[in-house]
Amino acid sequence: DAGITQSPRYKITETGRQVTLMCHQTWSHSYMFWYRQDLGHGLRLIYYSAAADITDKGEVPDGYVVSRSKTENFPLTLESATRSQTSVYFCASSEILWFGQFFGPGTRLTVL
Amino acid sequence: DAKTTQPNSMESNEEEPVHLPCNHSTISGTDYIHWYRQLPSQGPEYVIHGLTSNVNNRMASLAIAEDRKSSTLILHRATLRDAAVYYCILPNAGNMLTFGGGTRLMVKP
Repeated sequence: DAGITQSPRYKITETGRQVTLMCHQTWSHSYMFWYRQDLGHGLRLIYYSAAADITDKGEVPDGYVVSRSKTENFPLTLESATRSQTSVYFCASSEILWFGQFFGPGTRLTVL
Repeated sequence: DAKTTQPNSMESNEEEPVHLPCNHSTISGTDYIHWYRQLPSQGPEYVIHGLTSNVNNRMASLAIAEDRKSSTLILHRATLRDAAVYYCILPNAGNMLTFGGGTRLMVKP
């Protein structure tokens, strides 16, 4: 299917476990982004990538790791999950840095 | 970074036009004004963006004040499906989008 997909859509994990959230886009967009959205709040940028093998920190990168070995994939890893990382995570992509970002459906992560 | 100010919420009647305001008095000359919306339980959706001139697309119109210190997103005929949080965004110093609280639009049948 064309577009941007995220998996899993829902995840429950425990404190201290490693979790990887997947993001895949079919447009071959250069830029990809990870945001988190806490209940009742706006989105905050975690990491972004300008191209394969190029990543940079956003507003709230602590506790997260990203990689981008292929243009279409941009996984987000929580190396040791904490309760404060309970959130909805959105992946997005765009061809130009801030024009027309296209968002995935989100992953709802709960850390117990 | 330039900031935006939006009302927390607005109400509209179905099939009537909606004007969603945004103030951005500290905007710089090269800042584009972006609008996104987020429907319940979904990811944000790009709506429109502009620099100086008014812009139209199939979803909405963007009216930008002559001094660029404010803008208005116009939905020409609101439908129930337009009920969402609407974000007015200026890129920050790193050219990243920062999503604030937005305006929650409620559409009454």
